[in-house]
Parts: sequence; structure tokens; C-alpha cells
Amino acid sequence: ETGVTQTPRHLVMGMTNKKSLKCEQHLGHNAMYWYKQSAKKPLELMFVYNFKEQTENNSVPSRFSPECPNSSHLFLHLHTLQPEDSALYLCASSQVGSAGGINGYTFGSGTRLTVV
Amino acid sequence: SQQGEEDPQALSIQEGENATMNCSYKTSINNLQWYRQNSGRGLVHLILIRSNEREKHSGRLRVTLDTSKKSSSLLITASRAADTASYFCATGKETSGSRLTFGEGTQLTVNP
Repeated sequence: ETGVTQTPRHLVMGMTNKKSLKCEQHLGHNAMYWYKQSAKKPLELMFVYNFKEQTENNSVPSRFSPECPNSSHLFLHLHTLQPEDSALYLCASSQVGSAGGINGYTFGSGTRLTVV
Repeated sequence: SQQGEEDPQALSIQEGENATMNCSYKTSINNLQWYRQNSGRGLVHLILIRSNEREKHSGRLRVTLDTSKKSSSLLITASRAADTASYFCATGKETSGSRLTFGEGTQLTVNP
């Protein structure tokens, strides 16, 4: 247990389904992130939330919709996905200082998503 | 430009040997970090080195940073089978907020 919990661990969904991925951090961090990890590719940053505000949307298709109701919870809502969206989706959190600064991330174990 | 390119892509060694992985990047950075990922799991933060530091140690890990060459290396000494994993470098830039950019990783296999 790293302090960042992701559920579910595995998800199989059809292209017409709607599902949500959940991430919860117990570390008191003020920034949270969604990354996508596909085979043979670097981690791709999807969304960044600092102090519950979305500060970055890395050109992610609208079929992925993030939600951050508070600084401890982050969701990724999925709808009308494509088979190429199958990947490991990783959530991470970090503490951003008052002067900015980039600190280490704590990652969850990920959700393995398969779109059929 | 792509940040954090690791070299080699794959490395296989015997237990007890040292493993060295390299990372190169293209633009100026605030810090560079190394992470480990066991198969199908999340990444684990190993070590962070700031742009004004040249070397850092943590247990069996030694990280160096050469900002003039835009490169870093991760040395794992006296490797163990449990060190088998993928290792990623990640760079943070002042102008990019808190985001990190990850490389493609080095797959390390330590044979017993």
C-alpha cells in the first residue's frame, strides 16, 4: 500500500459502456495526476490537478473526462472508448510547495483497462 | 522534444553484479527522478536529484547528473533478483509546473 489507492484493479468494458476509475490518496498531497501506460510507449500524462483545479489537459480525447471533487479524490470517467484505449491507467499524487517545485510522485497500482 | 530517454532498453545481469542505466534529456530541468516499476504495477519513486547536485546515494543506489551533457545514470550495486523491474527516469522543468515527463524505461533482469 503506497498511500494511493486505485479501483478497480482490472476493468473490461465494451465500446458503448460508461465506467469510472477511482483514485484516492491518503498522503495529504495537493496535486494529482492521471497517466496512461501503453505497451512499448513512455507514460503519457493525461491530466493534472493542483489544489483541485485542473491545470493541464494534455490533448486528451473527450471520451475521457476527469473529476476532482476534493484534493484526496480523483476520478476518470470513461465513455465510448476504443480498443486502442486499452492500457494501464495510473494515478499519482505529489506535494507542490508554495514556491512551486517538483517533488517525487507516489503512484497507485493502476487500473488495467481492456476495451472490447 | 522527448525527455528522458533511457539506455539500454534492456539489461540482463547476474546476481551480485552492478547494473548501470543511463538517461538523456534535451531541455533544461529542475530535477531528475528515477522510478522502478514491477510488472503490471505502479511506479515507485527511488531517488530525486536536483539540477545543482552532481551525485546522490540511497542504499545500493547511486545517481549521477551531468547537466552539461544532459544525462544521468543510475547505478545499482550488488544486484539481487528482486531488483528485476523496469526503471524509468523522469524530468521536471520549472516552466512545466509540477508535471514530470517520463522516458521509455530500461528493463532490468537480474538472474539468480
